[in-house]
Amino acid sequence: EIVMTQSPATLSVSPGERATLSCRASQSVSSNLAWYQQKPGQAPRLLIYGASTRATGIPARFSGSGSGTEFTLTISSLQSEDFAVYYCQQYNNWPTFGGGTKVEIK
Amino acid sequence: QVQLQESGPGLVKPSGTLSLTCAVSGGSISSSNWWSWIRQPPGKGLEWIGEIYHSGSTNYNPSLKSRVTISVDKSKNQFSLKLSSVTAADTAVYYCARNGIVGATMDYWGQGTLVTVSS
Repeated sequence: EIVMTQSPATLSVSPGERATLSCRASQSVSSNLAWYQQKPGQAPRLLIYGASTRATGIPARFSGSGSGTEFTLTISSLQSEDFAVYYCQQYNNWPTFGGGTKVEIK
Repeated sequence: QVQLQESGPGLVKPSGTLSLTCAVSGGSISSSNWWSWIRQPPGKGLEWIGEIYHSGSTNYNPSLKSRVTISVDKSKNQFSLKLSSVTAADTAVYYCARNGIVGATMDYWGQGTLVTVSS
């Protein structure tokens, strides 16, 4: 099993500021990494796949980077609707998710 | 716009079998996509359960493989999940989802359904 570790568990950010979320894989997943956003009571929404490709309809303020075992999701200027929990997921092997990072209002 | 809708009992007794169905609309289950089940215990993270292709080919989470069966009904444009020998640890919101064109990246999701395992 490939274990995905996300940090920090909680990130406090003011609206308009940049948020940087990290995800580490226990072994290389190449670029087979996706990011999801989940709001309370809702299903996750795909943001990024292939480590850096935005999914359809995802705003340009969301960007992903990394390969191998280290990945980053950056939200360039946080909007009110961006406060949520973010999960990374690898699909190099059978899919596994990170534990999530909660982005909260500072 | 593809839409997915889970249905099934919200309460299952311990040692019983959890059965859910995912109805797909706005698209064909016979498209070039795999279809997944994912679950989320209350207040916790996401766990992939398994996936199916319209041909009937399946892949399962090794930790659940002995208890899981995923099947497809092309005539009804739906796929189903069965999880046997359930315990309280199987209490979760269960989601069905469509895998996108790039590997197991889930681009369309159902709203989720809470299944509680309790006597």
